Amino acid sequence: EIVLTQSPGTLSLSPGERATLSCRASQSISNSYLAWYQQKLGQAPRLLIYGASSRATGIPDRFSGSGSGTDFTLTISRLEPEDFAVYYCQEYGDSRGTFGQGAKVEIK
Amino acid sequence: EVQLVESGGGLVQPGGSLRLSCAASGFHFSSYGMSWVRQAPGKGLEWISSISGSGDLTFYADAVKGRFAISRDNSENTLYLQMSGLRVEDMAVYYCAKLMALGVWFFDVWGRGTLVTVSS
Repeated sequence: EIVLTQSPGTLSLSPGERATLSCRASQSISNSYLAWYQQKLGQAPRLLIYGASSRATGIPDRFSGSGSGTDFTLTISRLEPEDFAVYYCQEYGDSRGTFGQGAKVEIK
Repeated sequence: EVQLVESGGGLVQPGGSLRLSCAASGFHFSSYGMSWVRQAPGKGLEWISSISGSGDLTFYADAVKGRFAISRDNSENTLYLQMSGLRVEDMAVYYCAKLMALGVWFFDVWGRGTLVTVSS
């Protein structure tokens, strides 16, 4: 079973700044089957990125994903006030869909 | 509009049972696999079960295997989760989620969730 470790646990930034979140897998993820979700307090998760770098429908282009193998990154180029939230990566190479533990982007 | 609406959550005693439902609309339900994902209070997301579009394939996390059963009624566009032998550690918000495409186990649509509280 693949274990996903997200870092940093919390990122404190100001609006307009760049956010870089990491997701590291315990073994290589085939076909870049890695997704990213955003979850705001009290809301359901929202799909941002799939296939490591493909933006989901309606996701602004300030969100981008990259990486392969065991190291993946979610970048938010310029933080908007609505981007402060918790972000999860998910490996979906099989039916289990393992999630990382989450990373919080908070207002500095 | 694609929509998922969960129901059936509530307070149950340890060892008890509960059935969650998820009503789907706005897409061809039987063409998509579906899953249940839960989130304990203040914790992260945990996948617990998935089912294929036809319902003939089911998958479970070790934490719920043998206690929970996923099913679907494609004529009613509804997904179910039958939970039995509930434990305190099963207390969570339970989300139903739609797989984006056949055989790709990530989720493009989520419901708002239903809260299951396990307490005596």
